[in-house]
Amino acid sequence: QVQLVQSGDEVKKPGASVKVSCKGSGYTFSNYGITWVRQAPGQGLEWMGWISAYNGDTYYAQKVQGRVTMTTDTSTSTAYMDLRGLTSDDTAVYYCARGASVAGTSDYWGQGTLVTVSS
Amino acid sequence: DIVMTQTPLSSPVTLGQPASISCRSSQSLVHSDGNTYLSWLQQRPGQPPRLLVYKVSNRFSGVPDRFSGSGAGTDFTLKISRVEAEDVGVYYCLHATQFFGQGTRLEIK
Repeated sequence: QVQLVQSGDEVKKPGASVKVSCKGSGYTFSNYGITWVRQAPGQGLEWMGWISAYNGDTYYAQKVQGRVTMTTDTSTSTAYMDLRGLTSDDTAVYYCARGASVAGTSDYWGQGTLVTVSS
Repeated sequence: DIVMTQTPLSSPVTLGQPASISCRSSQSLVHSDGNTYLSWLQQRPGQPPRLLVYKVSNRFSGVPDRFSGSGAGTDFTLKISRVEAEDVGVYYCLHATQFFGQGTRLEIK
C-alpha cells in the first residue's frame, strides 16, 4: 500500500532553517511528484510547492519563493523540503502528498510534521 | 491565481441527514488535457487530509459511497447522502495540487 512517512516534529529559533523529509513506499517513487502543503494552527491548507521525482522540476509558491528548496533522492524514495529564514509565521504542520503532476491530484498524504518557531 | 470559494463555511447537520458543500472557482477548471482536476479532501480533527473525490466525481479508494461529487466548469458540489458521526471534520475543495478552498466545517447538531 502507498505510504508517505514524514520526519519528526521540530522546534527552531527565528532565523534558523528546517529540513523535513517524506519517505514514499508502496509505489514507484520516480513516477510521481511530491506536493508540500502547510497548515498554521487553526487555519486552512496552504500550498508551498511541488517537485517532480522524475526530473527534479520544481514549482514554488510565491510566498516562500527564495526561502524554500525542494529536493528528492530516488535512491531512498525520499523527498525533502528545506525552509530557511524561519519566523513565527512559519509555525505550522507541514504535509507532503503524492501527485503525478502539479496540475493533477494529490492522492496520498503524509502524517504531518509540526514545525514550531519560537525564541 | 485561481480563487476557490466554498459555501457554507460551517454546516451543522443531524445524523442520518444529507449534507452538501459548494465550491466555486474564479475561472474554469477544465485543463487542456480535457480533465477537470477538482478534488475534495476530508480532514478529521487531528488528522492529515484525506482524498475523498478526484476529477470532480470519482470516489477515491476506500471512500464510502455516501460521498459523491458533481459539477463542471466553475461550480462543484460534494454531497454526503447520510451523515455519520465519523464525518465530522473540515472539508476542502482543491484544484490541481495548488488552490484550496477555505474549508467547510461539518459538525453534528
